[in-house]
Amino acid sequence: DAMVIQNPRYQVTQFGKPVTLSCSQTLNHNVMYWYQQKSSQAPKLLFHYYDKDFNNEADTPDNFQSRRPNTSFCFLDIRSPGLGDAAMYLCATSRDPIPTSGGAKRGNEQFFGPGTRLTVL
Amino acid sequence: DAKTTQPPSMDCAEGRAANLPCNHSTISGNEYVYWYRQIHSQGPQYIIHGLKNNETNEMASLIITEDRKSSTLILPHATLRDTAVYYCIVRVGVTTNKLIFGTGTLLAVQP
Repeated sequence: DAMVIQNPRYQVTQFGKPVTLSCSQTLNHNVMYWYQQKSSQAPKLLFHYYDKDFNNEADTPDNFQSRRPNTSFCFLDIRSPGLGDAAMYLCATSRDPIPTSGGAKRGNEQFFGPGTRLTVL
Repeated sequence: DAKTTQPPSMDCAEGRAANLPCNHSTISGNEYVYWYRQIHSQGPQYIIHGLKNNETNEMASLIITEDRKSSTLILPHATLRDTAVYYCIVRVGVTTNKLIFGTGTLLAVQP
């Protein structure tokens, strides 16, 4: 089945030690997203790739970086994790929004992976 | 960005219809309303979306008021597996697919 895969499901790192989370997809979607979800909060968009174009949210800390070497894979790098970065990290994918006759684009649903729960010691 | 307002929690009896309301009074003409849900410890799951007309799929129905300032998600026969946080989201802009999640409604389906 086509899907969004995140590895590992659980990641433990030490304060200040760089960590990389990975996401892969078999859907061949051109848009990939990374969200951060802290306990009891809603997912918060960090950045997304539209094909190879990287789009950072204004309030995403510089500590968070991303790489997308090809259509299928996307990585989230946390350069120096702090205790406040402990969270669930969700990857999602979607197709390009579909243009409509009125000029607006009908968006396509996002498919989410199961998430990686990051613990910072 | 259009904001959404949802009740923080709701209960529903198993087998009954669950009606989840959402207010989005600042929505603009080309913005779609999306509904996602998130079962505990899983990634969010798309349910349905619409612009002006009511929509129905195998999971739910979406009723949008004529002035588009509010909508209701209807799960016709709720089961215990429908217990989740339900997010009503207005899609940002008309050329992107970005979603800005609000606080959502925790629906608890009771046996």
